Amino acid sequence: GAVVSQHPSWVICKSGTSVKIECRSLDFQATTMFWYRQFPKQSLMLMATSNEGSKATYEQGVEKDKFLINHASLTLSTLTVTSAHPEDSSFYICSARGTTSTDTQYFGPGTRLTVL
Amino acid sequence: KQEVTQIPAALSVPEGENLVLNCSFTDSAIYNLQWFRQDPGKGLTSLLLIQSSQREQTSGRLNASLDKSSGRSTLYIAASQPGDSATYLCAVITTGTASKLTFGTGTRLQVTL
Repeated sequence: GAVVSQHPSWVICKSGTSVKIECRSLDFQATTMFWYRQFPKQSLMLMATSNEGSKATYEQGVEKDKFLINHASLTLSTLTVTSAHPEDSSFYICSARGTTSTDTQYFGPGTRLTVL
Repeated sequence: KQEVTQIPAALSVPEGENLVLNCSFTDSAIYNLQWFRQDPGKGLTSLLLIQSSQREQTSGRLNASLDKSSGRSTLYIAASQPGDSATYLCAVITTGTASKLTFGTGTRLQVTL
């Protein structure tokens, strides 16, 4: 099956710093990638949808200037949490959808962000 | 706005039991429904995907049914094993939402020896 990787798997940073998370589709081309956030014992909440070569579409209540998303190629999307604060600590998961499938999203293993 | 609810929130059963997890959604205009498994601190593993025109899907000991008109789906796990312990999430793609998945609240399953 299709494989999606995320890097790093976990990161600890100081408040005020920026953190970049990468999401890669390893064996297929992903025209669309999705970024989710999951707080402890809660479900996944969609943050934004990114299409290769265009600006991301953010869900209501998600600050686009704080969560910068870049999808410059068909295999890579990045999420940068700018000026991170402790309340940004969460589990961030990406998913990728191929060019030929409209149904299936393949999920990455997630990135645990802890902001001190 | 689509809302997805799962009952129960947590479940503990002894090994070998058959069990049913429930998922309900408020907007029946869905494109498909998926069941996922999530182990602690890990990403998601897709278990079953049911298209809106289908009634059920089976994979091994897992069987998922869909009643779109009533906004319900069930995941049946036969002969549960300790390795089935995980959180199970259902998610729907609502028609006209550009393939966005709306996730349920999850059921945390513990299968004991």
